[in-house]
Amino acid sequence: KQEVTQIPAALSVPEGENLVLNCSFTDSAIYNLQWFRQDPGKGLTSLLLIQSSQREQTSGRLNASLDKSSGRSTLYIAASQPGDSATYLCAVKGYSTLTFGKGTMLLVSP
Amino acid sequence: NAGVTQTPKFQVLKTGQSMTLQCAQDMNHNSMYWYRQDPGMGLRLIYYSASEGTTDKGEVPNGYNVSRLNKREFSLRLESAAPSQTSVYFCASSGTSVPYNEQFFGPGTRLTVL
Repeated sequence: KQEVTQIPAALSVPEGENLVLNCSFTDSAIYNLQWFRQDPGKGLTSLLLIQSSQREQTSGRLNASLDKSSGRSTLYIAASQPGDSATYLCAVKGYSTLTFGKGTMLLVSP
Repeated sequence: NAGVTQTPKFQVLKTGQSMTLQCAQDMNHNSMYWYRQDPGMGLRLIYYSASEGTTDKGEVPNGYNVSRLNKREFSLRLESAAPSQTSVYFCASSGTSVPYNEQFFGPGTRLTVL
Protein backbone atom coordinates (compact mmCIF):
# COMPACT_ATOMS: atom_id res chain seq x y z
CA LYS A 1 0.00 0.00 0.00
CA GLN A 2 1.32 3.42 -1.00
CA GLU A 3 2.23 5.71 1.89
CA VAL A 4 3.03 9.40 1.50
CA THR A 5 4.88 11.37 4.16
CA GLN A 6 5.36 15.12 4.29
CA ILE A 7 8.03 16.80 6.37
CA PRO A 8 7.85 19.13 8.19
CA ALA A 9 4.26 19.02 9.44
CA ALA A 10 4.41 22.76 10.13
CA LEU A 11 6.76 25.54 9.16
CA SER A 12 6.94 29.19 10.16
CA VAL A 13 9.20 31.60 8.25
CA PRO A 14 9.62 35.36 7.86
CA GLU A 15 8.57 36.97 4.61
CA GLY A 16 11.17 36.83 1.84
CA GLU A 17 12.72 33.48 2.75
CA ASN A 18 13.18 30.71 0.23
CA LEU A 19 11.85 27.41 1.54
CA VAL A 20 11.58 23.73 0.69
CA LEU A 21 8.75 21.35 1.50
CA ASN A 22 9.45 17.63 1.34
CA CYS A 23 7.34 14.69 0.25
CA SER A 24 8.33 11.02 0.24
CA PHE A 25 6.43 7.97 -1.00
CA THR A 26 7.00 4.26 -0.53
CA ASP A 27 6.04 2.81 -3.95
CA SER A 28 7.91 4.28 -6.92
CA ALA A 29 5.40 2.87 -9.44
CA ILE A 30 3.53 6.14 -9.86
CA TYR A 31 1.94 7.84 -12.85
CA ASN A 32 2.29 11.39 -11.59
CA LEU A 33 2.69 13.56 -8.50
CA GLN A 34 0.64 16.64 -7.70
CA TRP A 35 1.21 19.46 -5.24
CA PHE A 36 -1.90 21.21 -3.90
CA ARG A 37 -2.56 24.22 -1.74
CA GLN A 38 -5.43 24.33 0.76
CA ASP A 39 -6.53 27.50 2.55
CA PRO A 40 -8.45 27.11 5.84
CA GLY A 41 -12.02 26.01 5.24
CA LYS A 42 -11.50 25.82 1.47
CA GLY A 43 -11.01 23.21 -1.21
CA LEU A 44 -7.76 22.08 -2.81
CA THR A 45 -6.09 24.12 -5.51
CA SER A 46 -3.71 22.28 -7.84
CA LEU A 47 -0.31 23.99 -7.97
CA LEU A 48 1.90 21.70 -10.03
CA LEU A 49 1.63 18.32 -11.71
CA ILE A 50 4.75 16.31 -12.51
CA GLN A 51 4.31 13.33 -14.83
CA SER A 52 6.32 10.20 -13.98
CA SER A 53 8.65 10.82 -16.92
CA GLN A 54 9.47 14.38 -15.81
CA ARG A 55 12.03 15.62 -13.30
CA GLU A 56 10.59 19.02 -12.45
CA GLN A 57 7.90 21.60 -13.12
CA THR A 58 7.88 25.33 -12.54
CA SER A 59 5.10 27.84 -12.09
CA GLY A 60 6.04 31.37 -11.09
CA ARG A 61 7.84 31.26 -7.73
CA LEU A 62 7.14 27.54 -7.34
CA ASN A 63 9.38 24.72 -8.48
CA ALA A 64 8.64 21.06 -7.86
CA SER A 65 11.07 18.22 -8.44
CA LEU A 66 10.52 14.48 -8.64
CA ASP A 67 12.99 11.65 -8.04
CA LYS A 68 10.93 8.53 -8.65
CA SER A 69 13.69 6.05 -7.92
CA SER A 70 14.28 7.43 -4.43
CA GLY A 71 10.58 8.12 -3.79
CA ARG A 72 10.99 11.84 -3.17
CA SER A 73 9.62 15.17 -4.29
CA THR A 74 10.34 18.69 -3.14
CA LEU A 75 8.37 21.90 -3.52
CA TYR A 76 10.57 24.98 -3.57
CA ILE A 77 8.94 28.36 -2.86
CA ALA A 78 11.07 31.38 -3.70
CA ALA A 79 10.80 34.70 -1.91
CA SER A 80 7.90 33.67 0.31
CA GLN A 81 5.01 36.06 0.96
CA PRO A 82 2.30 36.20 3.66
CA GLY A 83 -0.20 35.18 0.97
CA ASP A 84 1.64 31.86 0.66
CA SER A 85 0.39 30.89 4.12
CA ALA A 86 -1.68 27.71 3.67
CA THR A 87 -1.42 23.94 3.95
CA TYR A 88 0.50 22.27 1.12
CA LEU A 89 -0.44 18.73 0.17
CA CYS A 90 1.50 16.25 -1.90
CA ALA A 91 -0.32 13.41 -3.68
CA VAL A 92 0.92 10.53 -5.84
CA LYS A 93 -1.15 8.79 -8.48
CA GLY A 94 -1.11 5.03 -8.76
CA TYR A 95 -3.06 3.10 -11.41
CA SER A 96 -6.40 4.72 -10.63
CA THR A 97 -6.26 6.94 -7.59
CA LEU A 98 -4.33 9.58 -5.67
CA THR A 99 -2.76 8.91 -2.28
CA PHE A 100 -2.26 12.02 -0.17
CA GLY A 101 0.21 13.05 2.47
CA LYS A 102 -1.09 14.83 5.56
CA GLY A 103 0.34 18.15 4.48
CA THR A 104 2.72 20.86 5.63
CA MET A 105 1.10 23.88 7.29
CA LEU A 106 3.06 26.97 6.24
CA LEU A 107 2.91 30.34 7.98
CA VAL A 108 4.76 33.27 6.43
CA SER A 109 4.92 36.26 8.74
CA PRO A 110 5.30 39.86 7.52
CA ASN B 1 -16.10 27.16 -16.85
CA ALA B 2 -17.30 26.43 -13.31
CA GLY B 3 -14.88 23.48 -12.90
CA VAL B 4 -16.12 21.09 -10.19
CA THR B 5 -19.22 22.13 -8.27
CA GLN B 6 -20.70 20.53 -5.16
CA THR B 7 -24.02 20.90 -3.38
CA PRO B 8 -24.82 21.51 -0.62
CA LYS B 9 -21.97 23.49 0.98
CA PHE B 10 -23.09 22.70 4.53
CA GLN B 11 -25.42 20.08 6.00
CA VAL B 12 -26.45 18.96 9.47
CA LEU B 13 -28.08 15.55 9.84
CA LYS B 14 -29.38 13.49 12.72
CA THR B 15 -28.15 9.94 13.18
CA GLY B 16 -30.05 7.62 10.87
CA GLN B 17 -31.07 10.24 8.33
CA SER B 18 -30.10 9.89 4.70
CA MET B 19 -28.82 12.38 2.18
CA THR B 20 -27.18 12.67 -1.22
CA LEU B 21 -24.21 14.87 -1.99
CA GLN B 22 -24.15 16.13 -5.56
CA CYS B 23 -21.11 16.77 -7.74
CA ALA B 24 -20.83 18.00 -11.31
CA GLN B 25 -17.92 18.89 -13.59
CA ASP B 26 -17.87 20.76 -16.87
CA MET B 27 -14.36 19.82 -18.03
CA ASN B 28 -15.39 16.72 -20.01
CA HIS B 29 -13.38 14.53 -17.64
CA ASN B 30 -13.78 10.77 -17.68
CA SER B 31 -12.82 10.14 -14.05
CA MET B 32 -14.51 11.38 -10.90
CA TYR B 33 -13.76 10.84 -7.21
CA TRP B 34 -15.21 11.28 -3.73
CA TYR B 35 -12.89 11.94 -0.77
CA ARG B 36 -13.39 12.72 2.88
CA GLN B 37 -11.03 14.88 4.91
CA ASP B 38 -10.69 14.47 8.66
CA PRO B 39 -8.26 16.13 11.09
CA GLY B 40 -5.16 14.00 11.55
CA MET B 41 -6.27 11.51 8.86
CA GLY B 42 -5.75 13.55 5.75
CA LEU B 43 -7.73 12.98 2.58
CA ARG B 44 -9.05 9.48 2.01
CA LEU B 45 -10.73 8.11 -1.09
CA ILE B 46 -14.30 6.84 -0.61
CA TYR B 47 -15.31 5.82 -4.16
CA TYR B 48 -14.24 6.65 -7.66
CA SER B 49 -15.55 6.30 -11.19
CA ALA B 50 -12.84 5.78 -13.81
CA SER B 51 -15.33 6.31 -16.63
CA GLU B 52 -19.05 6.69 -17.18
CA GLY B 53 -20.82 3.51 -16.17
CA THR B 54 -18.16 2.25 -13.75
CA THR B 55 -17.62 2.75 -10.03
CA ASP B 56 -15.06 1.27 -7.63
CA LYS B 57 -14.44 1.30 -3.92
CA GLY B 58 -11.67 3.36 -2.44
CA GLU B 59 -10.04 3.18 0.97
CA VAL B 60 -13.13 3.94 3.12
CA PRO B 61 -16.34 2.92 1.27
CA ASN B 62 -18.40 1.51 4.17
CA GLY B 63 -21.62 3.41 4.79
CA TYR B 64 -21.65 5.08 1.38
CA ASN B 65 -23.04 4.45 -2.08
CA VAL B 66 -22.34 6.28 -5.32
CA SER B 67 -24.00 6.82 -8.68
CA ARG B 68 -22.32 7.99 -11.86
CA LEU B 69 -25.42 9.57 -13.35
CA ASN B 70 -23.75 10.60 -16.61
CA LYS B 71 -20.32 11.85 -17.67
CA ARG B 72 -20.79 15.15 -15.79
CA GLU B 73 -22.37 14.03 -12.52
CA PHE B 74 -21.26 11.77 -9.67
CA SER B 75 -23.32 11.59 -6.47
CA LEU B 76 -22.52 10.22 -3.01
CA ARG B 77 -25.29 8.85 -0.82
CA LEU B 78 -25.34 8.25 2.92
CA GLU B 79 -28.20 5.83 3.56
CA SER B 80 -28.16 5.98 7.37
CA ALA B 81 -25.84 8.69 8.64
CA ALA B 82 -23.62 8.05 11.67
CA PRO B 83 -21.61 10.53 13.78
CA SER B 84 -18.43 8.91 12.39
CA GLN B 85 -19.41 10.32 8.99
CA THR B 86 -19.02 13.89 10.23
CA SER B 87 -16.39 15.20 7.85
CA VAL B 88 -15.62 17.45 4.92
CA TYR B 89 -16.41 15.76 1.62
CA PHE B 90 -14.63 16.68 -1.59
CA CYS B 91 -15.45 15.70 -5.14
CA ALA B 92 -12.74 15.73 -7.80
CA SER B 93 -12.37 14.96 -11.48
CA SER B 94 -9.59 14.32 -13.96
CA GLY B 95 -8.90 13.32 -17.50
CA THR B 96 -7.53 9.86 -18.14
CA SER B 97 -4.41 10.24 -20.23
CA VAL B 98 -1.29 12.36 -20.13
CA PRO B 99 -1.20 15.36 -20.04
CA TYR B 100 -4.85 15.63 -19.02
CA ASN B 101 -4.62 13.58 -15.83
CA GLU B 102 -4.42 16.48 -13.41
CA GLN B 103 -7.02 16.18 -10.67
CA PHE B 104 -9.27 19.17 -9.88
CA PHE B 105 -11.28 19.55 -6.70
CA GLY B 106 -14.62 21.07 -5.78
CA PRO B 107 -15.11 23.44 -2.81
CA GLY B 108 -16.32 20.72 -0.44
CA THR B 109 -19.41 19.88 1.63
CA ARG B 110 -19.14 20.24 5.39
CA LEU B 111 -21.33 17.56 6.98
CA THR B 112 -22.15 17.24 10.65
CA VAL B 113 -24.03 14.20 11.95
CA LEU B 114 -25.53 14.64 15.41
